[in-house]
Parts: sequence; C-alpha cells; structure tokens
Amino acid sequence: DAGITQSPRYKITETGRQVTLMCHQTWSHSYMFWYRQDLGHGLRLIYYSAAADITDKGEVPDGYVVSRSKTENFPLTLESATRSQTSVYFCASSAVRGRVAEAFFGQGTRLTVV
Amino acid sequence: AQRVTQPEKLLSVFKGAPVELKCNYSYSGSPELFWYVQYSRQRLQLLLRHISRESIKGFTADLNKGETSFHLKKPFAQEEDSAMYYCALQTSYGKLTFGQGTILTVHP
Repeated sequence: DAGITQSPRYKITETGRQVTLMCHQTWSHSYMFWYRQDLGHGLRLIYYSAAADITDKGEVPDGYVVSRSKTENFPLTLESATRSQTSVYFCASSAVRGRVAEAFFGQGTRLTVV
Repeated sequence: AQRVTQPEKLLSVFKGAPVELKCNYSYSGSPELFWYVQYSRQRLQLLLRHISRESIKGFTADLNKGETSFHLKKPFAQEEDSAMYYCALQTSYGKLTFGQGTILTVHP
C-alpha cells in the first residue's frame, strides 16, 4: 500500500536496551522526520532528513540516532533506552513545493521503557 | 527561535455551539501555519493551511500577523469534531514546530 508506515506499533523494552523504530514511505518524498508526542509538550522534533545520507538534529536529539541510506526508510534508534524516552513516536514525510509543505504522518509507535 | 503556543489543553463545548481553538506564534520570518488534527485511534492529518485560505469540515483559520495568531474557528461544532488539534508553524525545509495541542470535546 502507498503511504507511510511505522513498525512496530507497540513496543515494551527495558532500560538500557537498544531499540530501533522503523519508518517506510512509498512516495519518494525527500524530507522525513521523527517526532515524539508527550502530553503537555505536543510533538517535538527529534531528527530530520532532507535526503538520503543527509540528516540533522531537531529539538530533542539526545539519546537517539538516525540513518537514511535509502530515500524510503528512516529508522530511529534509541541507543540505550531510558524511562524518559517512554512516548509515542511519529514518523512523517513531506514534499516541499515552493514555500509550503504538507507533512504525512505514520500511525505512531507507542514505546514503553520499563 | 520559533514558538507555537496553544493556551488551552482542554476545550469542551456542546453540539451546535461555536468553537475557537487559540494559537499564537512567534517567528522572525514569514510564517507558514497549519492546523493538524488527530482523531481517536487515527494518525495525525492536515486539517488546513493558512496559505490556502480554505474551509475544511466547516473550520476556518485566519492568520493575524499583528496579533501573531492563527485561531481555528467553527460556527457550529459537531460531535465528530472531538479530537486533538495541533497548531503548527513551518520553518525551513518543511520542518514543523507544534503547539502543545488542544483536546476538543463536543458534547451531545
């Protein structure tokens, strides 16, 4: 199916473990993003990517690593999970045309770190 | 630095009543503003963007640069409007800065 998909949808992991959240889009959008959603904070940008092999930090990058070897995939890795990383994670992609871009979001991954 | 503020975490109205979700922003450049909506158990989706000056599902939003606001309005709320609403500011490269979100509940 066309679109943007995230996996897994739900994940429980232990403190200190490495976890990778997957994101795949079929539109060939240049830009991809990872946000975390927390009550009272809204969505905050973790990392973004303008194209394959080009990534940059967002507002809250500490403790996270990203890569983008292919345009369609943008995995997010928590190197050593902490309880403060318990959150809902959203991947998004967008195609920028002129001044305005519309972002398309995945279904989200609910991560619990115990 | 850019900032988006939604002062109301929760907003409750009755069906048929007018509703206004407030959004204020600070940004040194020319703002591109959006409203995104997240219905229960669904993904976040675009509701409307200021540049289009459109009305979606009866909602409108006007950019007021003097007051740095982009409030979302609907004259007659419906139960199906109950959702989480996010105001967002686009900065460079399509990056979005989101407000904290407002949970709208429309009572029958």
